[in-house]
Order: sequence, then C-alpha cells, then structure tokens
Amino acid sequence: SQTIHQWPATLVQPVGSPLSLECTVEGTSNPNLYWYRQAAGRGLQLLFYSVGIGQISSEVPQNLSASRPQDRQFILSSKKLLLSDSGFYLCAWSVRGRAQPQHFGDGTRLSIL
Amino acid sequence: AQKVTQAQTEISVVEKEDVTLDCVYETRDTTYYLFWYKQPPSGELVFLIRRNSFDEQNEISGRYSWNFQKSTSSFNFTITASQVVDSAVYFCALSGYSNSGYALNFGKGTSLLVTP
Repeated sequence: SQTIHQWPATLVQPVGSPLSLECTVEGTSNPNLYWYRQAAGRGLQLLFYSVGIGQISSEVPQNLSASRPQDRQFILSSKKLLLSDSGFYLCAWSVRGRAQPQHFGDGTRLSIL
Repeated sequence: AQKVTQAQTEISVVEKEDVTLDCVYETRDTTYYLFWYKQPPSGELVFLIRRNSFDEQNEISGRYSWNFQKSTSSFNFTITASQVVDSAVYFCALSGYSNSGYALNFGKGTSLLVTP
C-alpha cells in the first residue's frame, strides 16, 4: 500500500532563517505531488504541485519554493522565512491525472519567532 | 472562478444524533469533481469521497451518506448515529479543469463536535 512521510512534525524557526521540509511517498510510481498550507482559521491553500521530476507549478507567488529531485520526493524550501510563513504545511500525493483524490501526510507545524 | 462554501462553522451534537454538513459550490466547468475530507485533531486529512459532475447518484458508506444535487450546486454529507470518533473538521473541496485540474479548492471547513 502507499504511504506518505513528511518531516519534521514540528519546527520552530527564527525570522530570516532558511527552511527545508521534506516529503516522500512509498508504494507508487510517478505520483502527482502537492504542498498545501493551512493557516489559522483552517482554510487550505495549494502552494505547489508537481507532475514529474523537475516539474514544479506554483499556485501562489511567495518566498517559498519547491523542488522534486526524485520521483517520490518533494521538498519545500525558503531562503528567508517571514512571520507570515507560520502555519501547518501538508504534503499530498495522487495518482497521475487531474482531479484525482489526494492523500495527505501528517503535516508539519511551522512556527516563526 | 471556483468557490466552495461551508456555511456551518461549528456544529455540536450529542452522540447517536444524525448530523448533516452542508457544502455549496460554484463553478463554470461542465466537468468537475467534488470531494469530502476529514481532519481529526491529529491534523492529517483523510479522503472520504470523490464524485464527478455527471454522477448524481447518492452514495452511502456505512454511517456516512452523501447527497449531490446539481440543481442547487450542493454536495451535502450526513453522518447517521454520530459517534465521538466523528469529532473532526470536515472539508468539502472542488476540482475542475478551468484551474488546471490539479488544485483542490477547499471550503473553510465545518468543525463537528460529538459529545457523549
């Protein structure tokens, strides 16, 4: 069966520091991969999605970036964190194709001080 | 543009009551998909169901049932005989090809509290 791993579970970072969140999927090949952010108030916002290695689409311009160095690895990064980057970050995967059910990791709770 | 509205912010029921979570959507796509997810206190989102816009059949899965009505642009979710373990935030989401077809547009969620 497919599993998705996301780490770390919690992270506290000072303003201006870099960020790297990692997500890996097991048990499937060629998945679509996604990064979402859930700010206080519960709404989820798609940040990036990827349909293949090196292919990244950004939904919202910001100081975050994403990379997909391997088929089942998706990384969310920032060179300098802002206070507004605080939130709950969720990685998800789906099978190839549009409008497929997305399956989420356990999330990373990021606090910026 | 696509939009999902979950007007009920919080619902509180006593165990064994039935509860319906409302979801109203807006889209100009003729082909689109609707989803429901559950987010328990632990934080992960759990996929519950996907329906496409051409299939208006209601669906039942155990104590869960979904009522899709295109005429009113609604995709409501009913939990029968609620249990404490049903306490969670429930999200309705929409995906259509006008926005690349990859993004899930989520509503703001309905927080359900089931008390013993």
